[in-house]
Amino acid sequence: QVQLVQSGAEVKKPGASVKVSCKASGYTFTGYYMHWVRQAPGQGLEWVGWINPNSGGTNYAQKFQGRVTMTRDTSISTAYMELSRLRSDDTAVYYCALVSPTRGYCSGTICYGFDYWGQGTLVTVSS
Amino acid sequence: SYELTQPPSVSVSPGQTARITCSGDALPKQYAYWYQQKPGQAPVLVIFKDSERPSGIPERFSGSSSGTTVTLTISGVQAEDEADYYCQSADNSGTYVVFGGGTKLTVL
Repeated sequence: QVQLVQSGAEVKKPGASVKVSCKASGYTFTGYYMHWVRQAPGQGLEWVGWINPNSGGTNYAQKFQGRVTMTRDTSISTAYMELSRLRSDDTAVYYCALVSPTRGYCSGTICYGFDYWGQGTLVTVSS
Repeated sequence: SYELTQPPSVSVSPGQTARITCSGDALPKQYAYWYQQKPGQAPVLVIFKDSERPSGIPERFSGSSSGTTVTLTISGVQAEDEADYYCQSADNSGTYVVFGGGTKLTVL
């Protein structure tokens, strides 16, 4: 069965960087887009971007362009999201989410509709 | 930037029907998805491609679309349906994913 297991909670100082991992199992890692979504405390879901694990191609929300980098290591079926120049308002739970092969929808350059989510990684930015 | 608009809150009594709307200019072109999120948990997909229901989701959950608005309907609301609900779609060009701001469903 599909599983997405994320790395543990992080505490960072303003201006630092954080790298969160998402290890996938139970399906062909290179077959489906992986997205990252974050949720600040008490707030809604916010899309960060996606990576195509097959090609390594990425697309980021305009808000994060220049600060976020998504990569993958196909040999260990793991996706990564690195966010730099952290600010206090980056404090959030960060989720990886997998586009559903059967229920997802592709339009233009993007595929979305998530069947599986990681457990979330809390990133706290505090001096 | 493209936005999806949801009401912040909806309240219904058990057994009544809850309707949660989501509005966006690109919705006539792009499918909408709905997620349910309970405190401390990851979101769960409850409706995909505007109106289809994944297996395992109760039949009381349904979705519909009309022009620039999509609607999640929960018929015969139960206490366990109390949660936050988010719509999701993409912009007109299919470049960016967007979530609505979320609606807190309260079962009175």
